[in-house]
This record gives sequence, C-alpha cells and structure tokens, in this order.
Amino acid sequence: DAMVIQNPRYQVTQFGKPVTLSCSQTLNHNVMYWYQQKSSQAPKLLFHYYDKDFNNEADTPDNFQSRRPNTSFCFLDIRSPGLGDAAMYLCATSPRVGVVDTQYFGPGTRLTVL
Amino acid sequence: GQQLNQSPQSMFIQEGEDVSMNCTSSSIFNTWLWYKQEPGEGPVLLIALYKAGELTSNGRLTAQFGITRKDSFLNISASIPSDVGIYFCAGQRSSYKLIFGSGTRLLVRP
Repeated sequence: DAMVIQNPRYQVTQFGKPVTLSCSQTLNHNVMYWYQQKSSQAPKLLFHYYDKDFNNEADTPDNFQSRRPNTSFCFLDIRSPGLGDAAMYLCATSPRVGVVDTQYFGPGTRLTVL
Repeated sequence: GQQLNQSPQSMFIQEGEDVSMNCTSSSIFNTWLWYKQEPGEGPVLLIALYKAGELTSNGRLTAQFGITRKDSFLNISASIPSDVGIYFCAGQRSSYKLIFGSGTRLLVRP
C-alpha cells in the first residue's frame, strides 16, 4: 500500500542535543510537509518542499531545519532541542496536481526532551 | 489571522447515536477536508470536498461543502466505539496551506 512512513515513532533526546526525524513516502508526491502538533492542538506547519524548493513558514524558529535528498525522503533536524520542542511531529505529502493538493499524513514521531 | 470555528469542542454520546459537527469561516475556501486523529497517531483523511454544494459519503460518514464556501459539516451515523478520536476540519484556498479547525473530541459510551 502506498503510504507515508515516519521513523522513529518515539524519540527521546536531551536538552540541546541535536536530533533528526525522518519521513519517507511511496506515493510519489511532489510536496512534503513537516508539522508540529502539541497536545490538544491542531497541527502547525513548519515548512514544506515542493520538489526541491524549500518553503519556510515565517514563524518557524531557526532551530528547525529540513533536508529533502530525493523525492521519497525528507528529514527534520532540530539543532538544539528545548523543553518547548517536545511535541508530535507529523510529516505529510500532497500531489499538487492542478488545484488538487490534498495532504496525507504519516503516523507521527513523538519527541520527548529531557 | 485566518481561523476556522469548529464546533462542538467535544461530544460524549451513546453508541448508536448520530453525530454532527461543523466548521465555519469568515472567508471562502476552495477545498474542505475532514480528518480523524486517534491518540498517538497522525490525522487520517476521511473525506475531501472540492466543490461548493458537494455532498460526499464514506461509509457511515457524510460531509458537505457549504454553498457559500464558508462552511462544512460532517455527520457520523450510528456511532460505534471505534469512532472515538479528534475530528479536524481543514480548509484550503489556492495555496498549499491548510487552515485547521480546533478539533472536535468525540467519546462514545458503549
């Protein structure tokens, strides 16, 4: 089945220790997104890639970076995690074919910062 | 900023009852999406609506794209315990950005 895969599902890191979360997709979609979701809130978009073009949201902290080495993979790097960065991180993809740009989410990685 | 008003915030219902939730906005959208999120999982797409007035069903779920393009509702008929979760509406204009509602938490009493 075509899908969006996130690894690991649970990640524990220490305050200030860099961490990388990964996302892969078998949908062959052009666009990949990273969202942060805190408890009882809606997902908040951090940035997205349209093919190789990186698009950062204006309010995304510099502490968050992303890489997309190829169509299938996208990484979220948190350079110096703070306690406030503990959250669920969601990857999503969309095809962006004409006006149809429906987003499909992965299962998420829950990040704990000690 | 852009906002969607989603209601109700939570519902605690008896198994077998029908459920209705809705989202409204002060501005128009080209697409309305409904997602369900279970604890510890990502949102799963339930229904996508692309045209004003469109009424679409997915099993026991029915959603409509309001004729004014400023609202959408989701109905769940004959609820079952596995319907438990948070339901998010999301609106989309011409760009990539999804505007999410605040979610409706559904609890079903067996």
